[in-house]
Amino acid sequence: AQTVTQSQPEMSVQEAETVTLSCTYDTSESDYYLFWYKQPPSRQMILVIRQEAYKQQNATENRFSVNFQKAAKSFSLKISDSQLGDAAMYFCALQGAQKLVFGQGTRLTINP
Amino acid sequence: DAMVIQNPRYQVTQFGKPVTLSCSQTLNHNVMYWYQQKSSQAPKLLFHYYDKDFNNEADTPDNFQSRRPNTSFCFLDIRSPGLGDAAMYLCATSGSSTDTQYFGPGTRLTVL
Repeated sequence: AQTVTQSQPEMSVQEAETVTLSCTYDTSESDYYLFWYKQPPSRQMILVIRQEAYKQQNATENRFSVNFQKAAKSFSLKISDSQLGDAAMYFCALQGAQKLVFGQGTRLTINP
Repeated sequence: DAMVIQNPRYQVTQFGKPVTLSCSQTLNHNVMYWYQQKSSQAPKLLFHYYDKDFNNEADTPDNFQSRRPNTSFCFLDIRSPGLGDAAMYLCATSGSSTDTQYFGPGTRLTVL
């Protein structure tokens, strides 16, 4: 069975500062993909970043980067220069052979 | 722009009155998914189609059915909605079962 755990139900950060959201996972598969999705109050799930497990290099998308620690089964998301538009629920997710498994989400608040 | 479209965005139905939610995609993806998401929870996969092959999750109630008449469209039928079926219903698509899933904006279902 695959599991994804986000241990921080809520986080807050001051605008322009950096915040890191934590995620750990468990899987017995050797090939898998990890994702961070963002779901703002409008409720559309938007892909933030994707990491292939076979790649050692951490994925980066503009202000968003991950720290992928395969041995520790850890996949944290760093948001630099936080903006008001980053406020949302963030879901970590694991894609194995068939199914996308989500964590329970972290609600991120940006303080102006 | 290629995208995933869901109609309607908001649907109100009466207890026990059948309702159909629709999803269409212009991405020409093989796989289409239906998720149920209740407030402050992670999305829960109901079923998915790989091309015309239907895959039902073991814990999806019989009350939920799906149809995929062609590559572009997929429907979610709720035969006799109960109060517990009130939720956001998300449609997603991917090129293959291991590719990134792209989500539509969702349909919020209210059951009176």
